Amino acid sequence: AQSVAQPEDQVNVAEGNPLTVKCTYSVSGNPYLFWYVQYPNRGLQFLLKYITGDNLVKGSYGFEAEFNKSQTSFHLKKPSALVSDSALYFCAVRVAMDTGRRALTFGSGTRLQVQP
Amino acid sequence: NAGVTQTPKFRVLKTGQSMTLLCAQDMNHEYMYWYRQDPGMGLRLIHYSVGEGTTAKGEVPDGYNVSRLKKQNFLLGLESAAPSQTSVYFCASSYSQSPYEQYFGPGTRLTVT
Repeated sequence: AQSVAQPEDQVNVAEGNPLTVKCTYSVSGNPYLFWYVQYPNRGLQFLLKYITGDNLVKGSYGFEAEFNKSQTSFHLKKPSALVSDSALYFCAVRVAMDTGRRALTFGSGTRLQVQP
Repeated sequence: NAGVTQTPKFRVLKTGQSMTLLCAQDMNHEYMYWYRQDPGMGLRLIHYSVGEGTTAKGEVPDGYNVSRLKKQNFLLGLESAAPSQTSVYFCASSYSQSPYEQYFGPGTRLTVT
């Protein structure tokens, strides 16, 4: 089955330290991978995507993600965390549906808490 | 631009009642989506539309119906609400050229008692 997994419900990091939010995937064919962020009481916002090309993808707000095909992972990273980065982060992967069309399937989310 | 808006923001229903959630977007996006968000389960796709007058089922379509009579609007209906439909509902939209870069509305919190 095609899916995406986020193994950590919550990640805690001190402000100024590097952060990593983990994501692994299982798809047939080439993966299309995405990260979205959700701030409190808001809808999701697109952060970045990997379709093809360089394994290190840069996105909004200083975030980047590293695609690792051998480990089937797409971890989200930031060199120096800010308190304002505290939010819920979702990894997503494109999957094929029964209709033949493709859609996003989301992981369960990881809450990032950055302490001052 | 308002982006993606959803009406209402909150609603409480009794089991068996019906309601319609309205989503509107002013970005001229071709594609629109309805998701539900439940704790620990991420977002799950209910229905989606790739253009005016067309709709298709997502992962969890049972108990919901949708309509896209105008390009800018996407309606989600619950004909007979059940407690299992208590959730936060998100609408999203995207261009057809980049269907996975979706713009989300602020959500509707629905409680069914």
